[in-house]
Amino acid sequence: EVQLVQSGAEVKKPGESLRISCKGSGYSFTSYWISWVRQMPGKGLEWMGRIDPSDSYTNYSPSFQGHVTISADKSISTAYLQWSSLKASDTAMYYCARQRVDCSGGSCRIDWFDPWGQGTLVTVSS
Amino acid sequence: SSELTQDPAVSVALGQTVRITCQGDSLRSYYASWYQQKPGQAPVLVIYGKNNRPSGIPDRFSGSSSGNTASLTITGAQAEDEADYYCNSRDSSGNHPFGTGTKVTVL
Repeated sequence: EVQLVQSGAEVKKPGESLRISCKGSGYSFTSYWISWVRQMPGKGLEWMGRIDPSDSYTNYSPSFQGHVTISADKSISTAYLQWSSLKASDTAMYYCARQRVDCSGGSCRIDWFDPWGQGTLVTVSS
Repeated sequence: SSELTQDPAVSVALGQTVRITCQGDSLRSYYASWYQQKPGQAPVLVIYGKNNRPSGIPDRFSGSSSGNTASLTITGAQAEDEADYYCNSRDSSGNHPFGTGTKVTVL
C-alpha cells in the first residue's frame, strides 16, 4: 500500500525552530515529487512548495519562499518541512502529498496529489 | 494570474446533480485536479486530468474543462458527499495553487 506517514503534533513557542517529517512507503520514493500544503484553522489549502527526492531540487510558492525549507533524505524515504524561527501565524495543519505528473504528448499538463499524509498540527504559542 | 476561483458554497438535494466550478487563466493550459476534504480529515483526490477517477472513487464524480473553467460534477449526490472541494492546477511558473474551495451541502 502506498502511504505517507507524517510526524506527530507539535507545540512550540515563537522564535523556536522546528522540522516535521513525511515518510513514504510502498513505492519508489525517488520516482515522485513530494509537495507540502498548509491549512490554517478554518481556512483553505495552500500549496507551499515541492521537492524532487531524487536530486533534492525544490521550488517554492512565492508566498512561502524564504520562510520555510523543504528537504529530503532519500536513504530513509523521508521528506521534511522546517522553520528556523516560528511565528504564531505558522499555527496550522501541514500535509505532505505525493505529486504525480503526466507528461504524455511531450508536455506536462496534468498534475495531481495522491496520496496525502495524515497531517501534522503545528501550534505556535507563547 | 495563477489564482483559481471557486464559489464558496453550493447545496444540492439528495440524489440530485451538482456542478462545482473552478476558474483561472492557468486552466487554459493545464488540467485541474479535484480534492474532497471532510472535517478533520486529510484531502482525498477525486478527479484528475481530462476526467480520471482514482480507484475507489465512485463514478458519480466526473470532471470536465472548457476555456478557463474546470468543473467537477456529482451526479446523484449522496449524504457522504457533503464536504469541502478544492481544485488545483499548475501555473506557468511551475507553482501549484489551490482554488478557494467550495463547501457542498447535501439537503
